[in-house]
Amino acid sequence: NAGVTQTPKFQVLKTGQSMTLQCAQDMNHNSMYWYRQDPGMGLRLIYYSASEGTTDKGEVPNGYNVSRLNKREFSLRLESAAPSQTSVYFCASSEEDRGDGYTFGSGTRLTVV
Amino acid sequence: RKEVEQDPGPFNVPEGATVAFNCTYSNSASQSFFWYRQDCRKEPKLLMSVYSSGNEDGRFTAQLNRASQYISLLIRDSKLSDSATYLCVVHSGGYQKVTFGIGTKLQVIP
Repeated sequence: NAGVTQTPKFQVLKTGQSMTLQCAQDMNHNSMYWYRQDPGMGLRLIYYSASEGTTDKGEVPNGYNVSRLNKREFSLRLESAAPSQTSVYFCASSEEDRGDGYTFGSGTRLTVV
Repeated sequence: RKEVEQDPGPFNVPEGATVAFNCTYSNSASQSFFWYRQDCRKEPKLLMSVYSSGNEDGRFTAQLNRASQYISLLIRDSKLSDSATYLCVVHSGGYQKVTFGIGTKLQVIP
């Protein structure tokens, strides 16, 4: 089925470890996003990629890096995980950036201990 | 003041009831408005857009009040399957200007 595929679905890291969250979409969308969702807070934008070859910081980029590998794939890397990065991470894609055409992946539940 | 504010609830309503949620936004230049639905431990999915003239989709009605800077979602004849969290989304232009509310949790009770 067409959509956004995220891996892994669950991960437990120790403080200081690194990991990469993978995201791929097969809808030929130009724009891709990484959000985090924490209790009592709305989805917050970490990084986005308006088109292949470009990436930009969102609201909460500290501690993260991203790579837009090609039009389909957009990865998020935690170089040195911290407990404050315990969250649910969602990748999303859209044709245009208006808020209505977002397709989200199923999420990654990350716990940093 | 937060850019987008929602009452987190939960709203516990019996089946068949009518329930309404509001969402206020602070940026008067906001351009587009949406409601997303998020089931427990799932990803958000677009429920409906909110137009200036209001719009209806079956049992769901969304309205925009620009003067008072809020949008609303009305659900009629609530079903058990409507139980979810409803996220208000406001777009103020540009890639960094899509703001999600914290969501309002609805629990429909048999």
